[in-house]
Amino acid sequence: DTGVSQDPRHKITKRGQNVTFRCDPISEHNRLYWYRQTLGQGPEFLTYFQNEAQLEKSRLLSDRFSAERPKGSFSTLEIQRTEQGDSAMYLCASSLGVGTGELFFGEGSRLTVL
Amino acid sequence: GNSVTQMEGPVTLSEEAFLTINCTYTATGYPSLFWYVQYPGEGLQLLLKATKADDKGSNKGFEATYRKETTSFHLEKGSVQVSDSAVYFCALSDSEDMRFGAGTRLTVKP
Repeated sequence: DTGVSQDPRHKITKRGQNVTFRCDPISEHNRLYWYRQTLGQGPEFLTYFQNEAQLEKSRLLSDRFSAERPKGSFSTLEIQRTEQGDSAMYLCASSLGVGTGELFFGEGSRLTVL
Repeated sequence: GNSVTQMEGPVTLSEEAFLTINCTYTATGYPSLFWYVQYPGEGLQLLLKATKADDKGSNKGFEATYRKETTSFHLEKGSVQVSDSAVYFCALSDSEDMRFGAGTRLTVKP
């Protein structure tokens, strides 16, 4: 399968714990995006990378959230000191960058904070 | 900033009915416009797109025309099928990031 893959698919954690999600984009894609989706809503933009550079961060991304893409390939999204409001589906997408605009999405990582 | 507003759902139709899902946008510059679809249990996937005013995107019998004068990109299909049941998201991109509407859930009954 050469699509975008995310891991884990489901994560249940207790409030206050740290969690990390991983995204492996399509190999030739230089852009990687993170979105958050809650029930009944569309994906909300969190941040994106052009290769290893993080170019934009949403105001939604509090200091507890950090994302990296150290070698311009896979990316991680870490949430520290999780809160119940962090419960959501975290979506990763990749694209070839400027021009096509099409994003290819993974199936998401669902986080439940108890 | 850029934003997308789409009609609220859910929408329930009988098979072979005509579908319209409204989408309007606010943007500076000249964004590209998209419709994404999310089938049950699957990730979002591109349905169609249009990159400039008056362009018509089409795929799988769905169509949408980029109307700059009304800042709209309404999704239409002449005859829906049960297999079209999904959540549909309108989106816009200014080549930096992509912003999505809230989604419209479509259920098609046989």
